[in-house]
Amino acid sequence: DADVTQTPRNRITKTGKRIMLECSQTKGHDRMYWYRQDPGLGLRLIYYSFDVKDINKGEISDGYSVSRQAQAKFSLSLESAIPNQTALYFCATSGLAEFTDTQYFGPGTRLTVL
Amino acid sequence: GESVGLHLPTLSVQEGDNSIINCAYSNSASDYFIWYKQESGKGPQFIIDIRSNMDKRQGQRVTVLLNKTVKHLSLQIAATQPGDSAVYFCAENRGAGSYQLTFGKGTKLSVIP
Repeated sequence: DADVTQTPRNRITKTGKRIMLECSQTKGHDRMYWYRQDPGLGLRLIYYSFDVKDINKGEISDGYSVSRQAQAKFSLSLESAIPNQTALYFCATSGLAEFTDTQYFGPGTRLTVL
Repeated sequence: GESVGLHLPTLSVQEGDNSIINCAYSNSASDYFIWYKQESGKGPQFIIDIRSNMDKRQGQRVTVLLNKTVKHLSLQIAATQPGDSAVYFCAENRGAGSYQLTFGKGTKLSVIP
């Protein structure tokens, strides 16, 4: 969905490095989410934010941090990357005003930690 | 454990036939369900949704059926086309004001030309 963009699309890094993944949206949505996807495990929620001042941990937040710089921007950081953080990462958004919980996803970032 | 799951991890269908993808859920309080399609190298794409006060909803070539008695959700794709080849996920919102979705692991649909 072009309304939700993620950068970079691919990243290879080394153990111990700090990595930031960025997400921007033009949908005007209030809520933003970060997920990781691993083969056989589906999508798992890392962090979510209902507005700029509201940040919440998901089921697998250890080793990650986030920043909601603006309504349209939500970044995910790996302070010290480790190999088991190799995964596909997705940002998603949903809109309070839409009265549904449909989440719209970005194209993903493929992260490899060596 | 996973409350939103799948009956089949893979499904192969002849082009032109109808496809049925199944999903089970365990939370009776879930009040909203979504089907997503994920093509290789792309993010999940919204297909269709349904609320718990409905048992059927139709879109273009797709129908979602909800059976609350047995906590079962299905996605029917009519006249399956090669472009339908993808992984399909069901997701549930657990109600009570929750804005989080729980996703199933996905079913891979392969369309045989």
